[in-house]
Amino acid sequence: IAGITQAPTSQILAAGRRMTLRCTQDMRHNAMYWYRQDLGLGLRLIHYSNTAGTTGKGEVPDGYSVSRANTDDFPLTLASAVPSQTSVYFCASSDGGGEYNEQFFGPGTRLTVL
Amino acid sequence: GQNIDQPTEMTATEGAIVQINCTYQTSGFNGLFWYQQHAGEAPTFLSYNVLDGLEEKGRFSSFLSRSKGYSYLLLKELQMKDSASYLCAFMDSNYQLIWGAGTKLIIKP
Repeated sequence: IAGITQAPTSQILAAGRRMTLRCTQDMRHNAMYWYRQDLGLGLRLIHYSNTAGTTGKGEVPDGYSVSRANTDDFPLTLASAVPSQTSVYFCASSDGGGEYNEQFFGPGTRLTVL
Repeated sequence: GQNIDQPTEMTATEGAIVQINCTYQTSGFNGLFWYQQHAGEAPTFLSYNVLDGLEEKGRFSSFLSRSKGYSYLLLKELQMKDSASYLCAFMDSNYQLIWGAGTKLIIKP
């Protein structure tokens, strides 16, 4: 693995189903982030984690949950998917949770909720 | 409140120079980032400014004026591969990035 990987690449999901998007990084970065990207809108932060064992809510956390059991993994769970969660989801990581920290992005997961 | 604004789309000619502007409003500021995003791909880091002035990096330069809440990305000697979206983002007082919607740059031969 080099950098950040996300799985699956894309997914079509029925409304009401539970779904976990996976994210793994091998850069030993402390901070990790989940964003969604929708046409005409900027990237919006869903949840973040400044270090293993801690998580925080971003701008649009409702309907999503995260966990950070270790440094490398940061899964995002949709407990009961709704059509408004149709989006492209990007996981990112950075070396620190404050001040200058270039964020490195995974390739994204394209999720469609029907 | 916080907001950030950049043009939706710009068109330029191969070999030319283009300037993409970004304006923002925030009570807490910890720097301004520019990212490039090709269609269907992840954003990749281009530049970071925290002090006023121009930062040059090869064909790309980024400028910041904190007093005016203004930044621009300058791309010189445009190449077809520069066709992409350019995302502006500022880091707020909580060290979170607030992103603009992106400027789609179309390069014509």
